Amino acid sequence: GDSVTQMEGPVTLSEEAFLTINCTYTATGYPSLFWYVQYPGEGLQLLLKATKADDKGSNKGFEATYRKETTSFHLEKGSVQVSDSAVYFCALRKDGANNLFFGTGTRLTVIP
Amino acid sequence: DGGITQSPKYLFRKEGQNVTLSCEQNLNHDAMYWYRQDPGQGLRLIYYSQIVNDFQKGDIAEGYSVSREKKESFPLTVTSAQKNPTAFYLCASSIMVGTYNEQFFGPGTRLTVL
Repeated sequence: GDSVTQMEGPVTLSEEAFLTINCTYTATGYPSLFWYVQYPGEGLQLLLKATKADDKGSNKGFEATYRKETTSFHLEKGSVQVSDSAVYFCALRKDGANNLFFGTGTRLTVIP
Repeated sequence: DGGITQSPKYLFRKEGQNVTLSCEQNLNHDAMYWYRQDPGQGLRLIYYSQIVNDFQKGDIAEGYSVSREKKESFPLTVTSAQKNPTAFYLCASSIMVGTYNEQFFGPGTRLTVL
């Protein structure tokens, strides 16, 4: 079945460090891929998305590239800030469907 | 302001009682969803609805019920049959057509069963 696997956290980084959160997926066809962010005590917000191979989603300095050959959608940011501390979820939506499959989430803590 | 509201933010109930969580959206979205989030886990789909008066079970529907009498509203009832109801519940909505069908989430309701 369809699934998403994220690197386990928690991840702790110093401010201005480089961030990578790995995400790989299993799905037939051509799913759409998403990264959502959840700040403490809040719901999820869409961070970025990509709908086809080699698409790069980007927002707020975060980037992720849809790699079909490696079934991956790793999240990266060149210089993290304290305000980036949150839980990050990778998700996929199967082609033609509306439901999302979520990874388990990765908690990021950025220290000054 | 368009968005999704969930109320209340925190809810406490005694074991064996049914409880209903509210979810309202003014985004004119056709589809609405309920997810459950447990510590250290991803979101799991409970129920979803693509149109008024219609809904489908998700991955963990046992012990829950929903209704969709209005496009704007999708309340979730946690029944006494749900064995482990303490969790964070998130409601979401999306349009039905389009390339991205982005899901918009509410702020969530944290349910604690005592």
